[in-house]
Amino acid sequence: DAGVTQSPTHLIKTRGQQVTLRCSPKSGHDTVSWYQQALGQGPQFIFQYYEEEERQRGNFPDRFSGHQFPNYSSELNVNALLLGDSALYLCATGSGSHNEQFFGPGTRLTVL
Amino acid sequence: GNSVTQMEGPVTLSEEAFLTINCTYTATGYPSLFWYVQYPGEGLQLLLKATKADDKGSNKGFEATYRKETTSFHLEKGSVQVSDSAVYFCALISDNFNKFYFGSGTKLNVKP
Repeated sequence: DAGVTQSPTHLIKTRGQQVTLRCSPKSGHDTVSWYQQALGQGPQFIFQYYEEEERQRGNFPDRFSGHQFPNYSSELNVNALLLGDSALYLCATGSGSHNEQFFGPGTRLTVL
Repeated sequence: GNSVTQMEGPVTLSEEAFLTINCTYTATGYPSLFWYVQYPGEGLQLLLKATKADDKGSNKGFEATYRKETTSFHLEKGSVQVSDSAVYFCALISDNFNKFYFGSGTKLNVKP
């Protein structure tokens, strides 16, 4: 049983570009949450998807958007990239009835 | 609101020394508390958790007790090893959406 997977592992973009990150949940999980971890900081909640809808959102601008597919996988899109968007992006997946979640290995985004 | 405060690092110890990393929290409702560990270049791994007051979470020689009266969840280990060198994050979940609130992390360096 594969755990949570994320792709790509690393990504380099320039300011103003757009990026799409992907997350596949652990088998049996239907909820996907995205977090941004800046260097030297703890992860910050971006948003959560359940039943293909955004269920809750943290304090991030509209440049950050997402999607959840019928197979429960999810994408995080960031438009008009800024230097400050450089971070490790983590997804965490779980099932609706339990509060244990599993984190993926993350995608390291560098914006130049 | 919900927040987690951790002692600042880095913490540098010699092998076999006793470890304490302090964590206090503010939360609405009845939070579940977690410790995650992050090794260089990797994602987050669950170390231990406690879901109600006076519970003790333990794993790999690490322990933490959920203290409601002091709103604390301090991480301890009796004898650290070089392989324990990593960043440790205290976190809580305090709502129905399983959104994590993380501390800023404490880096542990263990010297041989």
